[in-house]
Amino acid sequence: GAVVSQHPSRVICKSGTSVKIECRSLDFQATTMFWYRQFPKQSLMLMATSNEGSKATYEQGVEKDKFLINHASLTLSTLTVTSAHPEDSSFYICSGAMSSRTYEQYFGPGTRLTVT
Amino acid sequence: AQKITQTQPGMFVQEKEAVTLDCTYDTSDPSYGLFWYKQPSSGEMIFLIYQGSYDQQNATEGRYSLNFQKARKSANLVISASQLGDSAMYFCAMPLANTGNQFYFGTGTSLTVIP
Repeated sequence: GAVVSQHPSRVICKSGTSVKIECRSLDFQATTMFWYRQFPKQSLMLMATSNEGSKATYEQGVEKDKFLINHASLTLSTLTVTSAHPEDSSFYICSGAMSSRTYEQYFGPGTRLTVT
Repeated sequence: AQKITQTQPGMFVQEKEAVTLDCTYDTSDPSYGLFWYKQPSSGEMIFLIYQGSYDQQNATEGRYSLNFQKARKSANLVISASQLGDSAMYFCAMPLANTGNQFYFGTGTSLTVIP
């Protein structure tokens, strides 16, 4: 099956700093990548959708200036949490979809962000 | 509006028994798909099974099967012969109408398999 990796798997940062999370499709070209956020014991909430070479489309309520998404290539998307605060602590999951099978998403293992 | 409902926040099942996890949905899209994912404590989302709304037969993948009742708008996941490794969160999901691939997830069911 298609594999998606995320780096780092865990990160602890201080309030006010920025953190970058990478999402890579290892064996397929992900024309579309998605970023989700998941609080403990809750479901995944879609934050944004990004297509390679285009600006990301953010869901309502997600601050695009705070959560910067870049989808520079067909295998890499990055999420940068700028000026992180403790309330940004969460589990962030990315997924990728191929153009030929857009209804199938392949999920990364997630990144646990803790802001102190 | 599109909606996915999982009414069982937590379920317990004896090892080797079968268990059914409920999922109901609402959509105006005439053609849609339903997905089930497993999320163990490690966090990764594992694809289990897919059912297309026009599929004639209920989907099956090994020990997983879907009890798809279109008229009732339900797509329940059946896990047969439960194993300890099946203990995890299970999410039902469907693509949002007119987006093709943006997923909307249910609230999930936490399954615990008892030895």
